Amino acid sequence: DAKTTQPNSMESNEEEPVHLPCNHSTISGTDYIHWYRQLPSQGPEYVIHGLTSNVNNRMASLAIAEDRKSSTLILHRATLRDAAVYYCILSSYNNYGQNFVFGPGTRLSVLP
Amino acid sequence: EPEVTQTPSHQVTQMGQEVILHCVPISNHLYFYWYRQILGQKVEFLVSFYNNEISEKSEIFDDQFSVERPDGSNFTLKIRSTKLEDSAMYFCASSEGMRRGADTQYFGPGTRLTVL
Repeated sequence: DAKTTQPNSMESNEEEPVHLPCNHSTISGTDYIHWYRQLPSQGPEYVIHGLTSNVNNRMASLAIAEDRKSSTLILHRATLRDAAVYYCILSSYNNYGQNFVFGPGTRLSVLP
Repeated sequence: EPEVTQTPSHQVTQMGQEVILHCVPISNHLYFYWYRQILGQKVEFLVSFYNNEISEKSEIFDDQFSVERPDGSNFTLKIRSTKLEDSAMYFCASSEGMRRGADTQYFGPGTRLTVL
């Protein structure tokens, strides 16, 4: 499985945008980029995913570099509820259901 | 919104005892998974299940572990003889299995297993 690298922790002020980076320099052309988050004492929760183009949904935006070796999860206005561990995960187009390889993720703290 | 449910929320057992963790995946999903998370550590894949058989398993998933889909709705993880190091949060997940590489996995709230 291709590996991802994320900062261990980040801090943001409430109501401000947050940019969470992820490096995946060994990504293959058929790997999707997924972002999940884990709120305290809960299971991981889907945030967003993409392949090549930038993606937006009601939770966040995903900006994917042109060479696909990095991506950035953007929370447009952080709230206290967004404090969580954020995981960047790759999955291969060659497979349907497949296991996710979770790294340590980025622990986001949101300050009031 | 459909969700994955897990029972019990907390299970306490004695070392050497058998435990069964229960999950009800989302009804139209085809793939089912178990992950575990030891306190303070990362989420680790255990096993995936499709079409009534294991499709992939990790090194953690040894002979002490088994999975079963006993009926059309439940998906269970059995640990035959629990060890202290099995203490962890166990998450069940399911996915549609219809979108290559883009399948979203939906996770349950987890079962906290404590082995004494």
